Amino acid sequence: KAGVTQTPRYLIKTRGQQVTLSCSPISGHRSVSWYQQTPGQGLQFLFEYFSETQRNKGNFPGRFSGRQFSNSRSEMNVSTLELGDSALYLCASSLVVGSRDQETQYFGPGTRLLVL
Amino acid sequence: KQEVTQIPAALSVPEGENLVLNCSFTDSAIYNLQWFRQDPGKGLTSLLLIQSSQREQTSGRLNASLDKSSGRSTLYIAASQPGDSATYLCAVKETSGSRLTFGEGTQLTVNP
Repeated sequence: KAGVTQTPRYLIKTRGQQVTLSCSPISGHRSVSWYQQTPGQGLQFLFEYFSETQRNKGNFPGRFSGRQFSNSRSEMNVSTLELGDSALYLCASSLVVGSRDQETQYFGPGTRLLVL
Repeated sequence: KQEVTQIPAALSVPEGENLVLNCSFTDSAIYNLQWFRQDPGKGLTSLLLIQSSQREQTSGRLNASLDKSSGRSTLYIAASQPGDSATYLCAVKETSGSRLTFGEGTQLTVNP
């Protein structure tokens, strides 16, 4: 069974630009979460989508947004990029059966974003 | 606000040694705790997940314990190998939904 895939794997942007990252969850997984990883702040939760709805949101500015499609694929968008947005962006998917999460989260390889 | 701390930040051991990584969390009202491994520049690989009602989980040479009342978890690695070299992260899940709060990780180096 294919794992979580993220595209692109590497990206270089300049300040002020915007960027869209994509995540395809494991087949059958309906929950997709996004995390930002930086050397200074570690792994921080951005947001979670389930059945095309944002279910949970971390403490990030409104420049960070996301969405989920009917096939559970998710995108996150960062507008007006800042140097501090340089990070590894990871997405994770998990299986939800009925109203219960199946807890184990499976992470993709990440997208490394460099903002110049 | 939940805070997760991992000690030590870095650890270097000779091959074959048994070792323990520590994780502590401030709010004991957790749903579960998960240990991950991360290789340089890569994503996270789930190693073990312990439900809040469990005391430990084992997988091969790995054993994770959970003491929810004291806010602590340990990851025990037996007979370490150079291939175990990686950063080990623990993460707690507090509520329904999938949000995880991570520690800063322990960078492990196993020397041949």
